[in-house]
Formats: sequence, C-alpha cells, structure tokens
Amino acid sequence: NAGVTQTPKFQVLKTGQSMTLQCAQDMNHEYMSWYRQDPGMGLRLIHYSVGAGITDQGEVPNGYNVSRSTTEDFPLRLLSAAPSQTSVYFCASSYSQVNTEAFFGQGTRLTVV
Amino acid sequence: DQQVKQNSPSLSVQEGRISILNCDYTNSMFDYFLWYKKYPAEGPTFLISISSIKDKNEDGRFTVFLNKSAKHLSLHIVPSQPGDSAVYFCAAVWGSARQLTFGSGTQLTVLP
Repeated sequence: NAGVTQTPKFQVLKTGQSMTLQCAQDMNHEYMSWYRQDPGMGLRLIHYSVGAGITDQGEVPNGYNVSRSTTEDFPLRLLSAAPSQTSVYFCASSYSQVNTEAFFGQGTRLTVV
Repeated sequence: DQQVKQNSPSLSVQEGRISILNCDYTNSMFDYFLWYKKYPAEGPTFLISISSIKDKNEDGRFTVFLNKSAKHLSLHIVPSQPGDSAVYFCAAVWGSARQLTFGSGTQLTVLP
C-alpha cells in the first residue's frame, strides 16, 4: 500500500500566488488532517475532516481552504500565498475508531518569496 | 499557550544507555497520548501510545509512562541505538474528531 501520498514534495511560490497541495490515502481512513511544521513549534493543525463532505478548522486555518469530496483525497488550497506560509506541510489520516494512530505523508516543503 | 510542552530541544545519549524523553501537558481533556519519531525529510511515524486510563505501556525497547496527577509523560528507550537518532514528538488526543496536539519535539542523538 502507498499509505498517505503528498504532492508536490517541494514548491516555490511568489507572494500572492495560489496553489493546491494534494493529499491522497488508500487505507479507507475516515479522518484526514493537514498540519504545518515550523522550527521550534512542532506540528500545528490547519484543517481536518471526519469524513467525505465534512471539514472543520484547526488551530491555524487562516489563509487556507480545504474540501473533502471523496474519502481518499483531501487537498489543501493556499488562496494568496504569503511569506508567513513558508513551512513544511504534512497530511495525515487515521481510522475513525477511538485511540488509533495517525499515518503521515512525507511532507511538502513550501517556500513563499 | 502551548498545551503540550517538550522542554528539552535536544538530548545526547551514549549507545546502549537509556534515553528518557519528557513531555508535559496542561489540558485535562486529553485522553490519549502518542509518541512519533521523525527523520529528516520524512513524515512522522508512530512509535508508541498510551491511554489516559493506564500508567505504562511497553513495546520492545520503548516504554511510555503517564503520570496523570503531574500531567507528565515520558518515553524510555532501552538500550538506545544509533538508529534511534531522530526528532521525537509527543502528541495528545482530544475531542470526538480525535485531534492531535503536538509538542515542539526533542532531537535525540545516540552516540556510538
């Protein structure tokens, strides 16, 4: 199984540009999430979804949109990129049962100049 | 204010000795805790977990201890191996959507 696949692995954007980070999982997980990792701050939750058609905001949602039209895919959209969005982004998925671990993708390193 | 804190950004240990990584939390609603290991340029990978109804969970060389009254958990690695060198994140789970709140991580270096 591929697990959680993120594309692209690296991206450079100019301020004001928009783009979509792709995330797909093949484990039939109901729960999916997006995190960003910044130096010294661990991973912070951006948006999450508990199933197709259901999304909600996490700790740092401003500047990002998500949608969940299928169980497999959970894209993250940057509406108008800002240098403060320079970060490493991780997508994760997990089963809906209580107390199971989340599986993470390999990450997308985004630089906004 | 960080609800999950890892106060040691780095830790160096000699191969074969014990590594102890610590984590403190403030939110009493957390009911499940996990440790993740992360190598450079990779995503975090699950290591071990513990429910809030337990005080210890063991898996091979890895043991997690939970002290609810002190809101403290620790990860023990015995014996430590050079391949254990990585960043270790403590994470806490809460809510019906099982959201994860992460600590800032501890870089463990195991010296041969």
